[in-house]
Amino acid sequence: AQKVTQAQTEISVVEKEDVTLDCVYETRDTTYYLFWYKQPPSGELVFLIRRNSFDEQNEISGRYSWNFQKSTSSFNFTITASQVVDSAVYFCALRDQGGSEKLVFGKGMKLTVNP
Amino acid sequence: NAGVTQTPKFRILKIGQSMTLQCTQDMNHNYMYWYRQDPGMGLKLIYYSVGAGITDKGEVPNGYNVSRSTTEDFPLRLELAAPSQTSVYFCASITGGRRDTQYFGPGTRLTVL
Repeated sequence: AQKVTQAQTEISVVEKEDVTLDCVYETRDTTYYLFWYKQPPSGELVFLIRRNSFDEQNEISGRYSWNFQKSTSSFNFTITASQVVDSAVYFCALRDQGGSEKLVFGKGMKLTVNP
Repeated sequence: NAGVTQTPKFRILKIGQSMTLQCTQDMNHNYMYWYRQDPGMGLKLIYYSVGAGITDKGEVPNGYNVSRSTTEDFPLRLELAAPSQTSVYFCASITGGRRDTQYFGPGTRLTVL
């Protein structure tokens, strides 16, 4: 069965600190897709990134970067120089490849960035 | 494109009442989903549909029903509301291609008292 584990439930940092959000997944699929979503206090879900399993190149988008390591089944997310606007709940998710294309979510990690 | 829209945004129900949560997408997406989010938990799949006339159960379908008579609409029905159904409900859709990304509606916050 597919599973996504976000071991950290809550992190609090001071503005400008770097923070890494961990995500470990389990799947038997040889090809799969991983996602990160952000849920700000307003409640909507905002798509951040999609990564496929056959591309292990790390990705950087501004202050955000993602480290995908197939050998350890991890897809970690780092925010550099955090800002108060980064305060949100972050979800890691794995797409089911069995035909439904549904997402299997981790429990989420609440990040609080204090000024 | 309005994307994925959901109505209502908030609702309070009494135990035993019924209601329908509406979800509409204007992107001609084949696949649509209903998830629920409980406090401190990730999202769990209630029902999904891979096209008009086709629906299937997700992880937590008990107490809910769905229908998909058109490509655009995917309503979620609660027949006998229970306190355990207090949650935030999200609708999502994708075209169905493997490279696709699920985009979510704004959510419906439901409280059953």
